[in-house]
Amino acid sequence: GAVVSQHPSWVICKSGTSVKIECRSLDFQATTMFWYRQFPKQSLMLMATSNEGSKATYEQGVEKDKFLINHASLTLSTLTVTSAHPEDSSFYICSASGQGGPYNEQFFGPGTRLTVL
Amino acid sequence: DQQVKQNSPSLSVQEGRISILNCDYTNSMFDYFLWYKKYPAEGPTFLISISSIKDKNEDGRFTVFLNKSAKHLSLHIVPSQPGDSAVYFCAASVYSGGGADGLTFGKGTHLIIQP
Repeated sequence: GAVVSQHPSWVICKSGTSVKIECRSLDFQATTMFWYRQFPKQSLMLMATSNEGSKATYEQGVEKDKFLINHASLTLSTLTVTSAHPEDSSFYICSASGQGGPYNEQFFGPGTRLTVL
Repeated sequence: DQQVKQNSPSLSVQEGRISILNCDYTNSMFDYFLWYKKYPAEGPTFLISISSIKDKNEDGRFTVFLNKSAKHLSLHIVPSQPGDSAVYFCAASVYSGGGADGLTFGKGTHLIIQP
């Protein structure tokens, strides 16, 4: 299957700082990338959908000014958590989907563990 | 409001036996369902999927059954192997007319295969 990488795999930062997480599709062109968040013992919650070259679509309750998403190329999407606070501590996972039919398979990255002190 | 529900947080099955993981959904607009397997600190790995036009899909040891009238699907793993021990997520999506769509996940079921 296709490979999606995320960097960094874990990050610890101080409250008030901004953190950038990268999501790359390594061997295919991802027309659509998704960002999910998972709190302990909870399901993965979709945060936003981004299509290459256009603005991301955010799910209800997700602050677009806090979680900045950039999908500048077909292989890279970034999520920036601005002015991070301890409640933003979570496991952030991206997925990528290539061109094809309506039910394009999503390939998930390994996730990024964010801890805000 | 949890649109995809996995009511069993954990399930313990003896090696060689059948594992049955269940999933219920409330949104009748969902028309595509997927099962993912996840290890700690890793992203989910796709296992098997089913479209709403089918009621069964089989891939090796994995079979997914869909009962649309009951809004219920299940994943059968037979025979269960130690390497199957992981958290299994049920996910669903609504076809929006073009491209891929975000998935709605259940909370997962931790499957433990005992030797």
